Amino acid sequence: DTGVSQNPRHKITKRGQNVTFRCDPISEHNRLYWYRQTLGQGPEFLTYFQNEAQLEKSRLLSDRFSAERPKGSFSTLEIQRTEQGDSAMYLCASSPGLAGDSDTQYFGPGTRLTVL
Amino acid sequence: AQSVAQPEDQVNVAEGNPLTVKCTYSVSGNPYLFWYVQYPNRGLQFLLKYITGDNLVKGSYGFEAEFNKSQTSFHLKKPSALVSDSALYFCAVRDRGPSGGYQKVTFGTGTKLQVIP
Repeated sequence: DTGVSQNPRHKITKRGQNVTFRCDPISEHNRLYWYRQTLGQGPEFLTYFQNEAQLEKSRLLSDRFSAERPKGSFSTLEIQRTEQGDSAMYLCASSPGLAGDSDTQYFGPGTRLTVL
Repeated sequence: AQSVAQPEDQVNVAEGNPLTVKCTYSVSGNPYLFWYVQYPNRGLQFLLKYITGDNLVKGSYGFEAEFNKSQTSFHLKKPSALVSDSALYFCAVRDRGPSGGYQKVTFGTGTKLQVIP
């Protein structure tokens, strides 16, 4: 399977704990994105990487959130001191990042976080 | 700022009937437009996109969408609905911007399609 993969698929944690999610993009894609989706809403942009560089972060991404993409391959999203309001589906997407292309994003299956 | 509106939270259609899911957009420049489908507890699956050229775009699973620049719309259509088409559908827009440059994608709030047997 050469699609975007995410692990874990589900995570249940207690308030105040730290969690880390992993995303493996489509191998030839330069760009990687993290989104958050809550019930009844569309995906909300969190952050974007071009190769290993984090080029844009949303105001939604508080200082408890950090994302990395070492070596421009997989990415991790860490949430420190989780709060109940962090409960959501966290989606990862990747795109080719080619000049002149529509740069279609392809999504992984998501990680559903539940904070108790 | 760019935006997407999906005016219907839910669309119900009988199996075999044509379906339309509406989307309007606002963007400062020329748009790229996308439709995605989401099944329960899954990520978004790409259906189709409008880049340029023919206003009628054909995509996966028999879906098509019509770009209307004057009405700033990009409605999703299918001639004959299947029960398996029942899912959540998202419209998205991205400004073209400079070639190769990054432009943010904005998603609508989604429309739940229910196909009734």
